[in-house]
Amino acid sequence: SQTIHQWPATLVQPVGSPLSLECTVEGTSNPNLYWYRQAAGRGLQLLFYSVGIGQISSEVPQNLSASRPQDRQFILSSKKLLLSDSGFYLCAWSHRQANTEAFFGQGTRLTVV
Amino acid sequence: KQEVTQIPAALSVPEGENLVLNCSFTDSAIYNLQWFRQDPGKGLTSLLLIQSSQREQTSGRLNASLDKSSGRSTLYIAASQPGDSATYLCAVNQAGTALIFGKGTTLSVSS
Repeated sequence: SQTIHQWPATLVQPVGSPLSLECTVEGTSNPNLYWYRQAAGRGLQLLFYSVGIGQISSEVPQNLSASRPQDRQFILSSKKLLLSDSGFYLCAWSHRQANTEAFFGQGTRLTVV
Repeated sequence: KQEVTQIPAALSVPEGENLVLNCSFTDSAIYNLQWFRQDPGKGLTSLLLIQSSQREQTSGRLNASLDKSSGRSTLYIAASQPGDSATYLCAVNQAGTALIFGKGTTLSVSS
């Protein structure tokens, strides 16, 4: 069966510090991968999605970037965090076919202080 | 641009009631629609997936319907229980992008 791992679960970082959140998927190959952010009262916002190694699509211009160094690994990064980067970050995956179900990780609560 | 709306934003019911959560979307050109459950501080758990060619899907006490032409879906929860308390999110899947979510309905079931 497939599983998705996301870490860390919580993170408190000072303004201006770098960020690296990691997501890995097990039990499947060539998945589509996604990063979402959930801010209080604002719903889930798609940040990045990837259909393959090195292929990243950005939905919203911002202080963040994403990379996919391996087939089942998706990393969310920032060089300098802003207060507005605080939120709940969720990684998700789906099969390559367009009409399949999406599965989410347990999320990372990021607080920038 | 696709927009997904969920009504109501919050709902409180006594245990045992049947209830309906609503989801609407503006662009009917979707592959499928998915309902999720989110507990506080947790990730999303997939409840039901309805393909664009389907009218409904059932899982236990949950039944989701889809009317693609009118841009609407409903999630029916039968005989609600306190353990059903959570936020329920609907999301549509369409070409060229990832899932687009509504803001959710927060359900509270009292015993």
